[in-house]
Amino acid sequence: GENVEQHPSTLSVQEGDSAVIKCTYSDSASNYFPWYKQELGKRPQLIIDIRSNVGEKKDQRIAVTLNKTAKHFSLHITETQPEDSAVYFCAASGSSNTGKLIFGQGTTLQVKP
Amino acid sequence: NAGVTQTPKFQVLKTGQSMTLQCAQDMNHEYMSWYRQDPGMGLRLIHYSVGAGITDQGEVPNGYNVSRSTTEDFPLRLLSAAPSQTSVYFCASSYEMTGRTEAFFGQGTRLTVV
Repeated sequence: GENVEQHPSTLSVQEGDSAVIKCTYSDSASNYFPWYKQELGKRPQLIIDIRSNVGEKKDQRIAVTLNKTAKHFSLHITETQPEDSAVYFCAASGSSNTGKLIFGQGTTLQVKP
Repeated sequence: NAGVTQTPKFQVLKTGQSMTLQCAQDMNHEYMSWYRQDPGMGLRLIHYSVGAGITDQGEVPNGYNVSRSTTEDFPLRLLSAAPSQTSVYFCASSYEMTGRTEAFFGQGTRLTVV
């Protein structure tokens, strides 16, 4: 069945360093890959996404890369700040026209001041 | 717009009890989903719906029922609560446009089964 694996489960970096979170997916039909950020006690919120016809997308300090052949995608955060501390989830779309998203297990990012 | 509203925010149940988690959205989104969040396991899809009258199972559907009689509402029913259903439950609504499916989440329901 559809599966998304996410690594690492926890990540600790110093303020100003970069952070990278990686995901792999199993369903070759997946064509949309969003990333969500969840602050403590809050709901997940979309921070960036990429479609399968694009290899890389950047929005200020965050970027996402996609390798469709290898079925993996990554989130890159540069110049990390304490407010980047949160749980990050990757996801892959299920069948089209269903709104279905399969999420990874999450990465707890801690940015130390 | 209120977005996605879940009730209640907190609930304690005894084993064997049944209850319904409510979810309503006012964005006229076609798609709605229920997820459960457990430590180290991410967000797991319980059930989803592509429109009124249409529902389907997700990754972990056992012990849960859903219905979608209107576009706005998507309640989740626990038939006979078990301690393994202790979790945080999120409802989400979404729409698809130009190949993107942005999901908007409710504030979550923290459920404890004792």
